[in-house]
Formats: sequence, structure tokens, C-alpha cells
Amino acid sequence: DQQVKQNSPSLSVQEGRISILNCDYTNSMFDYFLWYKKYPAEGPTFLISISSIKDKNEDGRFTVFLNKSAKHLSLHIVPSQPGDSAVYFCAATPTNAGKSTFGDGTTLTVKP
Amino acid sequence: NAGVMQNPRHLVRRRGQEARLRCSPMKGHSHVYWYRQLPEEGLKFMVYLQKENIIDESGMPKERFSAEFPKEGPSILRIQQVVRGDSAAYFCASSPRKQGETQYFGPGTRLLVL
Repeated sequence: DQQVKQNSPSLSVQEGRISILNCDYTNSMFDYFLWYKKYPAEGPTFLISISSIKDKNEDGRFTVFLNKSAKHLSLHIVPSQPGDSAVYFCAATPTNAGKSTFGDGTTLTVKP
Repeated sequence: NAGVMQNPRHLVRRRGQEARLRCSPMKGHSHVYWYRQLPEEGLKFMVYLQKENIIDESGMPKERFSAEFPKEGPSILRIQQVVRGDSAAYFCASSPRKQGETQYFGPGTRLLVL
């Protein structure tokens, strides 16, 4: 049973437009959510996070939205840039547990 | 402040050999996590360690895999008698504390079993 799902394996957007990456989770114990970005042959890099007490967190071009009732979070990138092309992983962590559960990732391609 | 370091970056082993993967966490971080990424899949949790203690090994295969994080030195993930299905990228991450903390990842070790 996959507790964190990223249903879109890939997403392609035009430079300057908005990229929206989605993530759904099933475990109600998750209360801290993170997005990581990964380039080929490198480790994941932390991008942005959100605690369950918030519904939005913004950092520059990146905004994460959390809908707890729907168990859904999304990452918005605006405006998208070609350098944003990478695999994006959503991760969730419950209170009192160290491990994060990752989705399978969404490959974002931003076309110039 | 150096990031998480992993070595080797690439490791080739023949079936039946042992693989040892090393991870040095970021300075000041006492929590280490190992994840495995199989081809075309996401990151799967394997084990969570604190200095000299295994906190959660629920993602570790029951046989052939072991991990340690000694008081001194790097964390080691050991795979005995490797099989082709062990070929994957193994990532180590560290955090200063446990839950609710961002984990910082190393570059990974890519294991290829021939």
C-alpha cells in the first residue's frame, strides 16, 4: 500500500508558465511534508516544506499548498524556468517517527 | 560546512560478493537515514540510525542487509552476498534531530551487481 502517491509521472510546461505538481497521501499521522528536487546522478535536494498546522508556505517562486481534509498537497512553481527541469519528490513524515515516506516522483520538463 | 558525503559514488560487485557503502553525515547531525532507489522507482526507506543505535529498520530486507552508525566514523550499509536485484542507487540522508526535520541527502552510491 503506497502511502504517498504522485499520480503524474511526468509534466511538461512552457517557460514562464506555472508548474503544478500534485501529491496525495493516505496516512493521517503524517504532519510534515516536504518537496525535494533531484537531478540525474545527484542526491535529492530539499526545496520547501510545510507543517500540518499551515495550509500554505511560500519561498520565492515555490509555493506549497496543503489540504488536510483531502490529504492532498501541491507544489506551484511560477514562473517556471528551464533549470527547474528535474524529478520532484513529495515526502511525508509523521510525528514521532524519523523516516520520510516518498512518492515515486514527477519528472518536470520546462521547455524554453 | 560540508554536506552529506557518500563513498564510493559507484560500486561494481559480482554476485555473492559483499558491498559496503559509507555515509558521513553533515557536521552536527546525529541522525542518519538510508534510502534505496531502484530503477524507475522512488526512494524507499531502509533504516534510520542514531549514533550507536538503530532506531527503525522496518525497511531493511531481513537477510543480507545490515547497517551501523558507530560512535566514531561514518555510517555503514553492508550488503552481503549481493544479487542482481540489489543493483540500485543508495542514498544516505542526515538531520540534526528526528521527526519534523528536513533531511539532507548525499549524492548517492550507485551499486551495480554483475
